[in-house]
Amino acid sequence: ETGVTQTPRHLVMGMTNKKSLKCEQHLGHNAMYWYKQSAKKPLELMFVYSLEERVENNSVPSRFSPECPNSSHLFLHLHTLQPEDSALYLCASSQVLAGASGTDTQYFGPGTRLTVL
Amino acid sequence: QKEVEQNSGPLSVPEGAIASLNCTYSDRGSQSFFWYRQYSGKSPELIMSIYSNGDKEDGRFTAQLNKASQYVSLLIRDSQPSDSATYLCAVISGGYQKVTFGTGTKLQVIP
Repeated sequence: ETGVTQTPRHLVMGMTNKKSLKCEQHLGHNAMYWYKQSAKKPLELMFVYSLEERVENNSVPSRFSPECPNSSHLFLHLHTLQPEDSALYLCASSQVLAGASGTDTQYFGPGTRLTVL
Repeated sequence: QKEVEQNSGPLSVPEGAIASLNCTYSDRGSQSFFWYRQYSGKSPELIMSIYSNGDKEDGRFTAQLNKASQYVSLLIRDSQPSDSATYLCAVISGGYQKVTFGTGTKLQVIP
């Protein structure tokens, strides 16, 4: 596998379920990101990790819980979601944290299409 | 005021023409600028990055940055039907906290 991979690619869950999204990057990058993409809205940055340490939580509801066990893996744990949480969830990685010119390009995984019933 | 603004389109151009996509941003301290292409149902893929004023060319693509006027543009020469996609402008300012995407411009290249 190369680049950034995400599993599952599609997920349907009820509001009382607990599920997790997984992201793995094979690029040797040190920073990883979770984004939410809803229809007709710009990508929304949710969480940022640098060297397994969370450095940003963009006012995301607590029903979304990130975990970064090492620099190659990132999880997004989901519980008691709402229908409005249905969206495409994208993981990205960059060599260093965004803001360092020339090395902050973010590479995206294929995304998980989440539907909350 | 939106932080990163793009015309949603669709922008329709005939095959072989030049497509011009524009993006304006509000934070004068922004330092990194990116164009991503996103096909329907797919994730964004990087087209160009640009960090200093002027033009940057890569094949059929040219990114232009004007920090004084706070805009960044993407020109696609010899447009092909395969270029039909949504083009996202992304701006980074002040570090990781401010990774901001525009809503994207949908480009349609007519054969």
